[in-house]
This record gives sequence, C-alpha cells and structure tokens, in this order.
Amino acid sequence: DTAVSQTPKYLVTQMGNDKSIKCEQNLGHDTMYWYKQDSKKFLKIMFSYNNKELIINETVPNRFSPKSPDKAHLNLHINSLELGDSAVYFCASSYRGFDEQFFGPGTRLTVL
Amino acid sequence: DAKTTQPPSMDCAEGRAANLPCNHSTISGNEYVYWYRQIHSQGPQYIIHGLKNNETNEMASLIITEDRKSSTLILPHATLRDTAVYYCIVSTQGAQKLVFGQGTRLTINP
Repeated sequence: DTAVSQTPKYLVTQMGNDKSIKCEQNLGHDTMYWYKQDSKKFLKIMFSYNNKELIINETVPNRFSPKSPDKAHLNLHINSLELGDSAVYFCASSYRGFDEQFFGPGTRLTVL
Repeated sequence: DAKTTQPPSMDCAEGRAANLPCNHSTISGNEYVYWYRQIHSQGPQYIIHGLKNNETNEMASLIITEDRKSSTLILPHATLRDTAVYYCIVSTQGAQKLVFGQGTRLTINP
C-alpha cells in the first residue's frame, strides 16, 4: 500500500489556468506538508498543516491555497498559473513533533 | 538558508563503505542532525537522525563529533541503489520545517 500518494503524477497546463494537486496519506499522521523542488533541484517547504490547521506558510504567493478536508488529505490549489510555477511538488506527512517525514512521489507541473 | 555544508559530489565503489561528511558549525544545543536522501525522480527518504550520540539503524550509521560541529553518514556496504543526493539537515525536533541544502550527489560505481 502506498503510504503517501499524490495525483496527478504529471500536469501540463497553460499560463493563467487554475489547477489542483491532491495528496493522501494512510499512515495515521497528523501533520502534512507541501514542498516545491525547482529546476535547480532546490527543495523548499511551502506549507505545513497539523490536524487540518495551517502551521507554516513560507511566504508563498496567495495564488497557492492549500486545503485540508481531514488530517489524511492535503490538497494544493493554484490559481492563475505562471511559468515560474513549473516545478515538482512533493507532499509529505509525519507525526507532530517528529521530523521523520514521509514523502510522496511528487507531481511534475509544467506551465506552458 | 541551510545551516549545513556538504561536498557537492562524491564517488564510492560498490561494496565499500560510503562516508558522507557534513559541517554544521552553528548548530544549537537543541538541534538535531537529520539525513535524508533523494533517489532520482523520487521523493526524499528519511535515513537517520541524532542529537549527540552516534546512531545506527538498518540503513546507515551516523557519527556526530563531540563538539557537534560536524557529522558523517556511513553507508556500510554501498550498492548501486544507494546512488542518490544525500541531504544533511539541522533542525529542532518538531520544527515541522525541513530546510534542505544542495546536498551531496553520491554515485556508487560498479
């Protein structure tokens, strides 16, 4: 069974569109994260949620809106996509208070 | 910004021990050293972490110097599947925010 899953795996879209990436974890964790890895391979935290509550927002543009319907899901919605949003987006989860984070396989977003 | 310094790349022969160094001279007393790796096109994978004592698990060993300003990750018998980028991260436990640096690209050669 996949511990942290993301859909879709690949996403190609035009500038200005709105898109969503979904993340689900079946590990029983209470904390979930979104990371962005750009073309230079730098991996940066975007958001973290604990029990559906936003804990960390790392100065991400407000075009990015995470939504956590329950503690097993953390979705990322992106409005008005820009070329610079092209990257691989990773979801992760952990127990609160522990930094052993489990990462999903990533979603490669390409904005044309 | 990452608080760690790692060599950008290293090579190791298959079957030999791979020793990956990390400098973290500004580490605070309550900060742990974490190691993750990222195999090509996959999500990062947790390897091990420690505070001041040496640690060992089924994947690797972590040796932290007495002054805690540096550490070494040891993969005792490297295989081709260990080829990856290895990240050394310093963080307070439960900070909920891993700050990744550039890491070390480890290549295991047959």
